[in-house]
Amino acid sequence: AQSVTQLGSHVSVSEGALVLLRCNYSSSVPPYLFWYVQYPNQGLQLLLKYTTGATLVKGINGFEAEFKKSETSFHLTKPSAHMSDAAEYFCAVTLGTGGFKTIFGAGTRLFVKA
Amino acid sequence: DAGVIQSPRHEVTEMGQEVTLRCKPISGHNSLFWYRQTMMRGLELLIYFNNNVPIDDSGMPEDRFSAKMPNASFSTLKIQPSEPRDSAVYFCASRPRGANTGELFFGEGSRLTVL
Repeated sequence: AQSVTQLGSHVSVSEGALVLLRCNYSSSVPPYLFWYVQYPNQGLQLLLKYTTGATLVKGINGFEAEFKKSETSFHLTKPSAHMSDAAEYFCAVTLGTGGFKTIFGAGTRLFVKA
Repeated sequence: DAGVIQSPRHEVTEMGQEVTLRCKPISGHNSLFWYRQTMMRGLELLIYFNNNVPIDDSGMPEDRFSAKMPNASFSTLKIQPSEPRDSAVYFCASRPRGANTGELFFGEGSRLTVL
């Protein structure tokens, strides 16, 4: 079965430190991968996506992610955390089989300390 | 441009009552998704539609839940009868026509509390 696993339900970093949020997927077909961010009392919004082509993708707010097929991973990074990055982050996969439905990981809440 | 519009934003009801949540997708989008978010279970896909046709409803918890999409600009998610364990935030999302691998655009959610 296809799935998305996010390692760590909570991650805490200091302002200015590296942000690393981990995501692994399981899929029998090439997946399309996404990271979304959710601020309190809001819906999700897209940070970045990988469909085809370059495996290192850049998104909004200085975030980037690298698709590593051999590791079935799509980890999200940002070189320097800002207080405004505090939010919940979701990794998602759209599967080409079964009608292109999108399923989400459990989410990782990022805390940024001053 | 207007985004995905959900109503009501908040609903408090008593166990046994019928609840109807509404969604207006972005114009021109032809895929529509209903998700439920809880602390315990995260974001669960309940059902999704393509061109107003339900494609996969395997995530609908039980027969108390039903969803319809009578036209391209409107969808409803109904719970009858409601139970306290249905308390959650329900999100509607839409995706543009021809963008099967593209991003989802989310509404702000409907927070349901069943007493």
